[in-house]
Amino acid sequence: QSVLTQPPSVSAAPGQKVTISCSGSSSNIGNNYVSWYQQLPGTAPKLLIYDNNERPSGIPDRFSGSKSDTSATLGITGLQTGDEADYYCGTWDTSLTAYVFGTGTKVAVL
Amino acid sequence: QMQLQESGPGLVKPSETLSLTCGVSDNSITSGYYWGWIRQPPGKGLEWIGSIYHSGSTDYNPSLKSRVTISVDTSKNQFSLKLRSVTAADTAVYYCARRWQWMVQDYFDYWGQGTLVTVSS
Repeated sequence: QSVLTQPPSVSAAPGQKVTISCSGSSSNIGNNYVSWYQQLPGTAPKLLIYDNNERPSGIPDRFSGSKSDTSATLGITGLQTGDEADYYCGTWDTSLTAYVFGTGTKVAVL
Repeated sequence: QMQLQESGPGLVKPSETLSLTCGVSDNSITSGYYWGWIRQPPGKGLEWIGSIYHSGSTDYNPSLKSRVTISVDTSKNQFSLKLRSVTAADTAVYYCARRWQWMVQDYFDYWGQGTLVTVSS
């Protein structure tokens, strides 16, 4: 069982916005930067957000990240069918001395 | 463009050792990054296995530490994973990835395509 909790699924119509939460503690999110990964069906994860809110080159600004205390949030605006994927948060856990991933959230475009 | 490629047997017998290698493109394994292994059991989430720096410094997931060894061969621009005494619970897609880690920054920015390893007799 992961120490980072995400909702199992979220959904919205094309063009709408979704947000995905990632809840942790002071030993992980509270004291380290958060990253987010997108995993399209049958493919490897891809870095979407790093350092809480930074986008790698090539990631559209429809994707955004934020962090507050021991929780982080990924936002996706202008939802597209191509955004249907599993999304994972990740960070270092100082107590576990391990890199931890969230439980994962499946995004569905209705 | 950074590329990573996993290689190794797709089938391992129970109690034996799983061995995988990750080839890194453009001779960058001695850059300031760490290199890591992550796995994903079928239909489940991601689990970090461990990481290595080109100097040989390693860190492992405490839940797997007793069975894992990660090594690096800078002359071949590759790093490797060995997981001992495997069981069916170790069946997963294994990914290698480049990891940036500095102070509070920690993320995997490039991933291999992954390779499925099945543990079965």
